Amino acid sequence: GAVVSQHPSRVICKSGTSVKIECRSLDFQATTMFWYRQFPKKSLMLMATSNEGSKATYEQGVEKDKFLINHASLTLSTLTVTSAHPEDSSFYICSARVFSGRAGGELFFGEGSRLTVL
Amino acid sequence: QKEVEQDPGPLSVPEGAIVSLNCTYSNSAFQYFMWYRQYSRKGPELLMYTYSSGNKEDGRFTAQVDKSSKYISLFIRDSQPSDSATYLCAMSANSGNTPLVFGKGTRLSVIA
Repeated sequence: GAVVSQHPSRVICKSGTSVKIECRSLDFQATTMFWYRQFPKKSLMLMATSNEGSKATYEQGVEKDKFLINHASLTLSTLTVTSAHPEDSSFYICSARVFSGRAGGELFFGEGSRLTVL
Repeated sequence: QKEVEQDPGPLSVPEGAIVSLNCTYSNSAFQYFMWYRQYSRKGPELLMYTYSSGNKEDGRFTAQVDKSSKYISLFIRDSQPSDSATYLCAMSANSGNTPLVFGKGTRLSVIA
């Protein structure tokens, strides 16, 4: 299947700092990527839809100034958690839908990035 | 009623058992259905993809979609301890770049 790569897989930072997470589509072009957040033993929560060359679309309740999303190319989307606080500690996962001939396209996920804010 | 309902479990079965995982949904427009497996601290991995109604088999896994009942299933034959994970169903009405709607996931433990 298609490969979505995410980096870093784990990051620990001090409260008040900013952290950038990269999501790359390795063997396909992704005009749209989706960013999810997941708390321990909970389901995926969609944060935003990242669109190449335009502004991201954020879900209700997600602070766009807190979670900056940039999708500057067809293979890279970044999520920056600004002025991180302990409550931002979570597992962040990106995904992209691949249209390879199958009806509807398949959604592939990155490996996830575990953020711990001290 | 939530768009997608999935029993969170946990579900515990002995090795070799047949596992049945299910989701129900309310939106009759859904026509693209996926099952994901997620190991702890990892991103979800696409297991099965089904378009519209019917069955699909891949090795020990079989996905079934019954659109008339708005019910999808994932069967795992000869379950192994390595199948222990959380299984998420996901679905979409559109073929474009729109987010999928996910179930909450079912935690499965296969005991050796």
